[in-house]
Amino acid sequence: QSALTQPRSVSGSPGQSVTISCTGTSSDVGGYNYVSWYQQHPGKAPKLMIYDVNKWPSGVPDRFSGSKSGNTASLTISGLQAGDEADYYCCSYAGTYLWVFGGGTKLTVL
Amino acid sequence: QITLKESGPTLVKPTQTLTLTCTFSGFSLSTTGVGVGWIRQPPGKALEWLAVIYWNDDTRYSPSLQSRLTLTKDTSKNQVVLTVTNVDPVDTATYYCARRTTPNYYFDFWGQGALVTVSS
Repeated sequence: QSALTQPRSVSGSPGQSVTISCTGTSSDVGGYNYVSWYQQHPGKAPKLMIYDVNKWPSGVPDRFSGSKSGNTASLTISGLQAGDEADYYCCSYAGTYLWVFGGGTKLTVL
Repeated sequence: QITLKESGPTLVKPTQTLTLTCTFSGFSLSTTGVGVGWIRQPPGKALEWLAVIYWNDDTRYSPSLQSRLTLTKDTSKNQVVLTVTNVDPVDTATYYCARRTTPNYYFDFWGQGALVTVSS
């Protein structure tokens, strides 16, 4: 059960879109439509942003969207805002009530 | 309102046993489908899923740490206790507890986290 692979960092200017990838295996990302994404600001707890690949919890703007193809899931943030600057983590169900997180991606809003 | 809060020692010596408590409100671990999990984050590093316990006492552990982790619950106190044996400096991390409710496959509410340092 290895950590999912995410780019260490991505960046974009306000108003632009960025995409963060999350690559796993057929035992986790590719095997289930249960990928979730969490936003974490410095010193804060993670916050659920996307679940079940592409669903929004209440209160999360639809500027955040998720998708999946094969063993890779993606989080796209459109209309970047300064407040989106944070670390983002993907998480996938890996069967038998086990979970695995990604290595995290630092988003910088230029 | 759903809240979770982690508590425990801030400093533990190597080889000792670490005991952390998650105290929650706004839901019950006696309700069918409810679970409480633990996730940790070493300083400056990524999140790592550790374990989860469910309303029916079903408990699952990360395969890499299974031999050192134990989860118990006290439904009457709304608490979940995580025990980590034989700690090492690499166990230094912020430890979070979070709620999961089946049939959902995500953790929707998180505690603020508790930083634990393992050092002699």
